[in-house]
Amino acid sequence: DQQVKQNSPSLSVQEGRISILNCDYTNSMFDYFLWYKKYPAEGPTFLISISSIKDKNEDGRFTVFLNKSAKHLSLHIVPSQPGDSAVYFCAASDPSYDKVIFGPGTSLSVIP
Amino acid sequence: EAQVTQNPRYLITVTGKKLTVTCSQNMNHEYMSWYRQDPGLGLRQIYYSMNVEVTDKGDVPEGYKVSRKEKRNFPLILESPSPNQTSLYFCASSLLGTGGDTQYFGPGTRLTVL
Repeated sequence: DQQVKQNSPSLSVQEGRISILNCDYTNSMFDYFLWYKKYPAEGPTFLISISSIKDKNEDGRFTVFLNKSAKHLSLHIVPSQPGDSAVYFCAASDPSYDKVIFGPGTSLSVIP
Repeated sequence: EAQVTQNPRYLITVTGKKLTVTCSQNMNHEYMSWYRQDPGLGLRQIYYSMNVEVTDKGDVPEGYKVSRKEKRNFPLILESPSPNQTSLYFCASSLLGTGGDTQYFGPGTRLTVL
């Protein structure tokens, strides 16, 4: 059973609008969450992260929100740009096992 | 340039023919890991290494071997590949290996086992 879920396999957004990518997790022991972005034919690259002691982290156009009670996090991209078109992976860190669990990814298309 | 390199980038092989995918990082990172990416399943960890001569199983280790004889290299070995190992493979490294540490990924190796 997947511990990190991204229930939207794909998302299309108009350029300039907000993109919201969602992620749910099941393990309450996860204490750190990361988003990675992946272009075709390249490896994933780190985008933004958030510790479980925070509920929001912002970096330029990218903001991650964490709702611990709901075991839910979301990535907001404002404004969306065509270069943001990529697959986005949500990941959660389990401190007990020195490992990171990745979700299945959401493919974002930003339409010019 | 700080990077993780993998070779080969593409490989087509036949069932049972041993192969090795190499991985090297030039960032002096302690932690290295192998993942496979399959549609709908995301990235699943195969093996990881916290330091030289220290390796451990990830979530899907069956059919794979690794070794960490030098800090910079972490090869993935398939002794007897099978078609269900057809996948996209990524090597990654991070400085400390703690869960929240940013991982740097290689460009990927697309493996097809016939």
